[in-house]
Amino acid sequence: DQQVKQNSPSLSVQEGRISILNCDYTNSMFDYFLWYKKYPAEGPTFLISISSIKDKNEDGRFTVFLNKSAKHLSLHIVPSQPGDSAVYFCAATIQGAQKLVFGQGTRLTINP
Amino acid sequence: DAGITQSPRHKVTETGTPVTLRCHQTENHRYMYWYRQDPGHGLRLIHYSYGVKDTDKGEVSDGYSVSRSKTEDFLLTLESATSSQTSVYFCAISENRSNQPQHFGDGTRLSIL
Repeated sequence: DQQVKQNSPSLSVQEGRISILNCDYTNSMFDYFLWYKKYPAEGPTFLISISSIKDKNEDGRFTVFLNKSAKHLSLHIVPSQPGDSAVYFCAATIQGAQKLVFGQGTRLTINP
Repeated sequence: DAGITQSPRHKVTETGTPVTLRCHQTENHRYMYWYRQDPGHGLRLIHYSYGVKDTDKGEVSDGYSVSRSKTEDFLLTLESATSSQTSVYFCAISENRSNQPQHFGDGTRLSIL
C-alpha cells in the first residue's frame, strides 16, 4: 500500500519556466511533509518542508503548497534552472514519529 | 554537508554470502536510518535506531539486521544475501528534535549475483 504517491515518473520543463511537481498521500495522520532532491550517485538532499498547520512555505525559488482536504502537495520551482535537473522525492511523516514515508520520485529535466 | 560516511560505496558479491554495510556519522545525532532505493519504489525504510543498542524495524526489514554499539556507527547486515537485495542503500541521520529533516549519505551500490 503506497501511502505517498508521485504519479509522474518524469517531467520536462524549459529553462526559465515554472516546474510543478505533485505528490498525493493517503494517510490523514501525516502532518509534516518534505521534499528532497537527488543527483545521480549522491544521497538525497533536503530541499523544503511544510507543516500541516500551513498551506504554503517559500524558500527562494522553491515553494511548497499543501492542500489537506485533497491530501495533495506540490513543489513549485520558479524560474527553473539547468541545475534543477534531478530526481525529486516527496516524503511524509507524523510529527515526533521520526520515520519518513517516501514517494517513488519524479525525474525533472530542465531543457535549455 | 552532514558528516555521514557510508562504506563500502560499491560492492559485488554472490548469493548466500554475508554482507555488512557501515554508516559512520560525526554529527552526534541520535537517530540513524537505513533505506533502500529501487526503481518504482522510491526510498523504503529497512531499520532505524533511536539510540545506542536501540533499534526498530521499518517497512522492508525481512532479511536484514542492524546493530548500533556506538552513537556514530550503524551497521546493516545481510546474513545471507539474495538477488532481491540488489539495490542502492542509503544511511540517514537526524537530530532528536521534532520536524528536523533527515540528512543522507551518498549511498552504497550493492550487487548480488
